[in-house]
Amino acid sequence: NAGVMQNPRHLVRRRGQEARLRCSPMKGHSHVYWYRQLPEEGLKFMVYLQKENIIDESGMPKERFSAEFPKEGPSILRIQQVVRGDSAAYFCASSPLPGQGPHNEQFFGPGTRLTVL
Amino acid sequence: GQNIDQPTEMTATEGAIVQINCTYQTSGFNGLFWYQQHAGEAPTFLSYNVLDGLEEKGRFSSFLSRSKGYSYLLLKELQMKDSASYLCAVREGAGNNRKLIWGLGTSLAVNP
Repeated sequence: NAGVMQNPRHLVRRRGQEARLRCSPMKGHSHVYWYRQLPEEGLKFMVYLQKENIIDESGMPKERFSAEFPKEGPSILRIQQVVRGDSAAYFCASSPLPGQGPHNEQFFGPGTRLTVL
Repeated sequence: GQNIDQPTEMTATEGAIVQINCTYQTSGFNGLFWYQQHAGEAPTFLSYNVLDGLEEKGRFSSFLSRSKGYSYLLLKELQMKDSASYLCAVREGAGNNRKLIWGLGTSLAVNP
């Protein structure tokens, strides 16, 4: 059973370009979460999605950032017109439906390290 | 408001026992998680508590007191590979909202 997949693992963009980060949840998981982590800092919640539905986007910056989780295919975190401050590790996690699994914990992908030049 | 507090750094010696504390103030409570994160890697699940008491899993144990808003992670027989950041997270919502509120993590250094 493959774990949470993220790609690319490393992404370099110049200021003003767009960054698209992809996340495929674990098989059978219907909930996806995106986090941002700066060096030596904690995880910052960004957005929580189910298929075709955003449940909670309270951690998303109001501009330039968007996320989707279509019926088919991976979840996408999109950052438009990137700036140097967007450089960070972006982690995706997935969990099963509530009530499935003993703890309904989140399983994390390996992360995408975004560097903005 | 929401608040998760844990010490920033701790140091311990190989073979010893260390206790990492976490206190929380959240608007709701639906479980507390501990994760381990090695530098440059993804967090991995360690333990889960939703009822008061101690949950033991090998060298790692986790304790919860809901009335005090307090948890600790206990690591026994420390090994060098236990050097990592330990993250405390509280699940607030029930039903459809499964968001976790995360602490900033405790960086543990295990010395020989």
